[in-house]
Amino acid sequence: DTGVSQDPRHKITKRGQNVTFRCDPISEHNRLYWYRQTLGQGPEFLTYFQNEAQLEKSRLLSDRFSAERPKGSFSTLEIQRTEQGDSAMYLCASSSGTPEAFFGQGTRLTVV
Amino acid sequence: ILNVEQSPQSLHVQEGDSTNFTCSFPSSNFYALHWYRWETAKSPEALFVMTLNGDEKKKGRISATLNTKEGYSYLYIKGSQPEDSATYLCALNSGGYQKVTFGTGTKLQVIP
Repeated sequence: DTGVSQDPRHKITKRGQNVTFRCDPISEHNRLYWYRQTLGQGPEFLTYFQNEAQLEKSRLLSDRFSAERPKGSFSTLEIQRTEQGDSAMYLCASSSGTPEAFFGQGTRLTVV
Repeated sequence: ILNVEQSPQSLHVQEGDSTNFTCSFPSSNFYALHWYRWETAKSPEALFVMTLNGDEKKKGRISATLNTKEGYSYLYIKGSQPEDSATYLCALNSGGYQKVTFGTGTKLQVIP
């Protein structure tokens, strides 16, 4: 296992389209986090899973955003009816319950 | 909403110079403070996790200190090298293991 992987690395989409990103955490990690980073800002928390349960969801996530982790392993983040303001780097991280989290390289979304 | 602040926002130093950055955070409900290094096109890399007031951690030429009573942490780089060029993020964990609030980062450029 080489770490947290995210797919795709880059995504360009037209406004109004739906997009889905995938995150594969480190295999023994039961906790998985999604963050979003926009230009000039630090990463902002979006949502958190412990195993397959979504335990916390930020108010930043509108109804157009949904995240799943169906078997407690990989996770998907879907954005419906994308808007230009959704353009950002979407980061996934995983941990085994210690404070340290390991990040993937992120998916950079550009909405045109 | 927690306010984690980092200063300076960016800085340029000459190779060989030593430098330091500051991370300020609310001192109430402190659980852990993380430092990450984020190089362009790579995943954020965990540098330190600190949990106790007065903690000092060191990794090679990089070290960090923590003061939870007054709500700040310093990151020091001794003898900066071009490969130290990156954005350095601090992140506060105040609610157990669940979510982490990031600062906006300090972007360091080391000039050869």
